[in-house]
Amino acid sequence: GNSVTQMEGPVTLSEEAFLTINCTYTATGYPSLFWYVQYPGEGLQLLLKATKADDKGSNKGFEATYRKETTSFHLEKGSVQVSDSAVYFCALGSLNEKLTFGTGTRLTIIP
Amino acid sequence: DGGITQSPKYLFRKEGQNVTLSCEQNLNHDAMYWYRQDPGQGLRLIYYSQIVNDFQKGDIAEGYSVSREKKESFPLTVTSAQKNPTAFYLCASSINQDSDQPQHFGDGTRLSIL
Repeated sequence: GNSVTQMEGPVTLSEEAFLTINCTYTATGYPSLFWYVQYPGEGLQLLLKATKADDKGSNKGFEATYRKETTSFHLEKGSVQVSDSAVYFCALGSLNEKLTFGTGTRLTIIP
Repeated sequence: DGGITQSPKYLFRKEGQNVTLSCEQNLNHDAMYWYRQDPGQGLRLIYYSQIVNDFQKGDIAEGYSVSREKKESFPLTVTSAQKNPTAFYLCASSINQDSDQPQHFGDGTRLSIL
């Protein structure tokens, strides 16, 4: 079956640091890949997505590139802010399978 | 504003009691989902529904029940058979179950035991 492996947290960075959260996946066929963000006490919000190999999803300064050769979809941001503190989930969707989530990575940005 | 509304935000259950969590969406989405999130954990699928009057068990359906009598509503009942119900419950919807369609989430209901 499908699976998503995410970088274990928590991750703590200083403001304006470069962020990478690793995500790798196992799936048959051609899945779609997503990053969701969860702020404290809230539900998940879609951050970005990519639906085919070499696609780059981007939103709010975050980017992730769908790499089929390495089965990865790493989340990056060039300069993080305190307001980016949240839990980030990588997820995979494929034909006839339910959406599969990673376990989440808690990010804390300190001023 | 289109979205998903979950209520209540906080809910307390007594021993032996069934409680129902509400989920309403006005996005005209066909598919709806219920997830359970435990502290520091990912999301686990409880039930999902692809169309009205149809639903399927997810990975952890025991002790839970759902109904889908209307397109916009997908209530979840936590029964007394669920021995460890304390968790954060999230409802989601998507246009359909195609793999490239993202899910939209409500703000969750936090359930605790009295």
